[in-house]
Amino acid sequence: EIVLTQSPGTLSLSPGERATLSCRASQSVSSNYLAWYQQKPGQAPRLLIYGASSRATGIPDRFSGSGSGTDFTLTISRLEPEDFAVYYCQHYGSSPPEYTFGQGTKLEIK
Amino acid sequence: QVQLQESGPGLVKPSQTLSLTCTVSGGSISSGSYYWSWIRQPAGKGPEWIGRIYTSGSTNYNPSLKSRVTISVDTSKNQFSLKLSSVTAADTAVYYCARDPLRSRFDYWGQGTLVTVSS
Repeated sequence: EIVLTQSPGTLSLSPGERATLSCRASQSVSSNYLAWYQQKPGQAPRLLIYGASSRATGIPDRFSGSGSGTDFTLTISRLEPEDFAVYYCQHYGSSPPEYTFGQGTKLEIK
Repeated sequence: QVQLQESGPGLVKPSQTLSLTCTVSGGSISSGSYYWSWIRQPAGKGPEWIGRIYTSGSTNYNPSLKSRVTISVDTSKNQFSLKLSSVTAADTAVYYCARDPLRSRFDYWGQGTLVTVSS
């Protein structure tokens, strides 16, 4: 079973700053199967990035994803007030089929 | 625009069976190549995948829950359902239904429904 560890647990930044969120897998995974989500209080997660680096439909280009192997990164280039939320990475394993999520990074206003 | 909506009891007694239904609108559940999943999220924690069903009816479950989970589909009603047996307080969570377009991620989610296990 793949375990995803996200860091930091909480990130305190100001609007306009750059945010860098990390997701580390317990073993090497295919970047094709790594996704990122944003979740605001009382809402379902929203898909941001899939295939490690492809933006989902309607996602602003200030969001970008990168990485390979065991280390993946979500970068928000210039934080907008609406970007403060919890972010999760997610992996899909095909044999057997299973989806796992990280524990999340809370991005809060400094 | 595809929409998913969960429905079912918000309170279940310990040892009983939790039953939820997800109604899909804006498209046929049996058209296209999609997996339909149930995901839960305890308060303050990350999401946990419960299981999925394909439009053909084939299923896959999280190994940690497999012995207690059944997911089924009713294409005539454009719905799929979750049954989780022998529930305990540890099963208290917000339960979501979601769609995977066979590309290993979830592109549409329901709004979620809180299920509390308590006597």
